[in-house]
Amino acid sequence: QVQLQESGPGLVKPSETLSLTCAVSGASIGSSSYYWNWVRQSAGKRLEWIGRIYSNGRTTYNPSLMSRATISLDTSRNHFSLTLKSVTAADTAVYYCARGGACFGGACFGFWGQGVAVPVSS
Amino acid sequence: EIVLTQSPDTLSLSPGERATLSCRTSQTISNTYLAWYQQKPGQAPRLLIYAAASRAPGIPDRFGGSGSGTDFTLTISRLEPEDFAVYYCQQYDVSVGFTFGPGTKVDIK
Repeated sequence: QVQLQESGPGLVKPSETLSLTCAVSGASIGSSSYYWNWVRQSAGKRLEWIGRIYSNGRTTYNPSLMSRATISLDTSRNHFSLTLKSVTAADTAVYYCARGGACFGGACFGFWGQGVAVPVSS
Repeated sequence: EIVLTQSPDTLSLSPGERATLSCRTSQTISNTYLAWYQQKPGQAPRLLIYAAASRAPGIPDRFGGSGSGTDFTLTISRLEPEDFAVYYCQQYDVSVGFTFGPGTKVDIK
């Protein structure tokens, strides 16, 4: 059974860079043919996809966040990461990592981490 | 961007009743790329339905999905106490990625 666990700083100041890591167990992120995603949910409850990375390192991003977001793989530690530059209060959210499910083209999210709350505040 | 709208915002029903939730997309999408999730307070979303009508592993058969084109439906045939939650639809587009609907809350009448 795949398990994902997010970790992060707890608080980020406006204009700084948010960095999160998702530790994966039960699957090898470098060799399994799945997409590894980041999704966030603001206090208004709308879910927003940030981007994803395939096991070969190919990335795709939400166009609205593409200029600020970077997702990377660390196969030696079996985790993947998100960095989001120049954050503002609008980036305050619960951030989830998720793996693509048994869907064609990885078009759904079958496994989720528990989420990590990231407030952006001075 | 493909916009998803869900109706109603809130559905107030009793255990044992049937729930019908609607998801409408702003343009025609392939059934392959429509999914439904359940979310309870303090928890991550859980995949219920993918490809519009396929139940995810471990999902009870009282959950069913249907629809095509721009109109999709999630049906819960008989509500159990653990089914009271928020439900989101989600679409995938090769060009712009994923978008979610605003959610429908199913609460106890």
